[in-house]
Amino acid sequence: GQNIDQPTEMTATEGAIVQINCTYQTSGFNGLFWYQQHAAEAPTFLSYNVLDGLEEKGRFSSFLSRSKGYSYLLLKELQMKDSASYLCAVRDGRYQKVTFGTGTKLQVIP
Amino acid sequence: DVKVTQSSRYLVKRTGEKVFLECVQDMDHENMFWYRQDPGLGLRLIYFSYDVKMKEKGDIPEGYSVSREKKERFSLILESASTNQTSMYLCASGGDGALNTEAFFGQGTRLTVV
Repeated sequence: GQNIDQPTEMTATEGAIVQINCTYQTSGFNGLFWYQQHAAEAPTFLSYNVLDGLEEKGRFSSFLSRSKGYSYLLLKELQMKDSASYLCAVRDGRYQKVTFGTGTKLQVIP
Repeated sequence: DVKVTQSSRYLVKRTGEKVFLECVQDMDHENMFWYRQDPGLGLRLIYFSYDVKMKEKGDIPEGYSVSREKKERFSLILESASTNQTSMYLCASGGDGALNTEAFFGQGTRLTVV
């Protein structure tokens, strides 16, 4: 099975940098995703990591350490529109099963 | 643009009714998923399918079944709806695991069972 942990809530200031952590335990691993979900909307894809290291995409970066079962999402130059829930998800290698963590609700304040 | 379309945005059903939630994707994806999302519990996987006529139980399959007769369509069935199945249901589809394949989500169906 899979167990995914991430903080429930975080608050950060507009213009700042915030790091959202995700730890996971899985019987098989074939990639880790980060999704963004605004209130009352469907999740949208942010990033994908399958190898160790940092993936950068504009203001967002995601890091993975497979040996530690650890990932983080880094958001730079925070904007008010970044207020949303951020979901960490792990894909099981054998069946392509994708399991989500409970999400981190980020509030960006002026 | 990938499209994952769920048949209804809002549904109200009575306890004991049989409920069908339909999901259609237009990207020829092999993998399709049904999740429910509840406050404080996040997205929980109900069932998924990695090929036509193939299905696998997720983490909370009790009270649900699924059907995948065609590649583009994945249906979630509540055989006898109960009030604890009131939730937001999200369908997703994704491609082959050998590629960097994100899951694309439909807009969700908010089901209320009364």
